Amino acid sequence: RKEVEQDPGPFNVPEGATVAFNCTYSNSASQSFFWYRQDCRKEPKLLMSVYSSGNEDGRFTAQLNRASQYISLLIRDSKLSDSATYLCVVMVRNSGAGSYQLTFGKGTKLSVIP
Amino acid sequence: AAGVIQSPRHLIKEKRETATLKCYPIPRHDTVYWYQQGPGQDPQFLISFYEKMQSDKGSIPDRFSAQQFSDYHSELNMSSLELGDSALYFCASSLAQGLAEAFFGQGTRLTVV
Repeated sequence: RKEVEQDPGPFNVPEGATVAFNCTYSNSASQSFFWYRQDCRKEPKLLMSVYSSGNEDGRFTAQLNRASQYISLLIRDSKLSDSATYLCVVMVRNSGAGSYQLTFGKGTKLSVIP
Repeated sequence: AAGVIQSPRHLIKEKRETATLKCYPIPRHDTVYWYQQGPGQDPQFLISFYEKMQSDKGSIPDRFSAQQFSDYHSELNMSSLELGDSALYFCASSLAQGLAEAFFGQGTRLTVV
């Protein structure tokens, strides 16, 4: 089982729609949580960090439920420019080595259509 | 603002050749990560460095090695290249590993022919 699981998508939504992505992680030692977006053949770009209290940045809202090991991303009023792959990323502490590792989900592809 | 710089952006090599990819992290970032992303795949962790010491190792083949230098830049050395090594290679950097977001460079697209 993959450490970070995401809805596979693709999600095809009309402009203006609200869309939600879900992500679950298996390692309870996970420390930090992020959503990145990746455009085709480009580098992942940080969209937002995810906190237990939930956080909002404009049309984007992220939620974290540590008890359920579940992360979500809500996009309101979708724009054409939101079309991308959204990657759920978890920072896990390697207790043996005392180091950290970013682990990616496979990503969910979003296409916003006119 | 300065970002993570990777070079070269594109590289074409023949099978069994060697390649060196370079990464210059954001100034004052002390952690560097290397990732490999094949077509249609999510990024796979290769190796990371914290304060110039290797901190973690992922699915990095024995043919690959990496190091972080005194100026914090990092190099990924790849030998005996195989066709399957063709991929996008991303470097990311962060401050105070595990506690802050990681920022990615634009990647090096390696094509092995």
